[in-house]
Amino acid sequence: DSGVTQTPKHLITATGQRVTLRCSPRSGDLSVYWYQQSLDQGLQFLIQYYNGEERAKGNILERFSAQQFPDLHSELNLSSLELGDSALYFCASSAPLAGDQETQYFGPGTRLLVL
Amino acid sequence: SQKIEQNSEALNIQEGKTATLTCNYTNYSPAYLQWYRQDPGRGPVFLLLIRENEKEKRKERLKVTFDTTLKQSLFHITASQPADSATYLCALSSGGGADGLTFGKGTHLIIQP
Repeated sequence: DSGVTQTPKHLITATGQRVTLRCSPRSGDLSVYWYQQSLDQGLQFLIQYYNGEERAKGNILERFSAQQFPDLHSELNLSSLELGDSALYFCASSAPLAGDQETQYFGPGTRLLVL
Repeated sequence: SQKIEQNSEALNIQEGKTATLTCNYTNYSPAYLQWYRQDPGRGPVFLLLIRENEKEKRKERLKVTFDTTLKQSLFHITASQPADSATYLCALSSGGGADGLTFGKGTHLIIQP
């Protein structure tokens, strides 16, 4: 158990809909990362938040957005969903101290199926 | 663009032998290289991290090497066990904790009893 929690575990929805995925980082971690994993693309970095502020952006679509709240949990919002958005979505967190912040601890993921 | 290549074919190794996995990268100068293990339907689990100025790192039965000239890392599991069967992911980062990891697509390792 990494200490990172994600809800829900599974999500089934229809095209055009909007969903919210939730993540709680490990106790004490300030950074939260979101990744998407599909069979053809592998694990792709979407976005990073650090202590409430956006810190880095990867291959995140404009239809997707995220935020990190004062209690450090994070939410990833996916809107206007398409079939191709079906994937596993992982959240990860890392320690705040320099030298330890490179290692990321992943949650169990949310499996999204868009029908 | 940045590219990370790992053996796309599954690697079958007999129990007790050493498994060696390869990670090659192009168009990247990573400060850190990491290896993660991923079991089906689960999140990646951190195994080892090696810095650009380090040649080799060990942890129990695991060993990783990092050659920045060849742009290659090798990951070894000695005395392999069926429980080591999983997908192993190579990941690169520039350092500073201000970017996400760039992952390879992984190598599926099967340890046969």
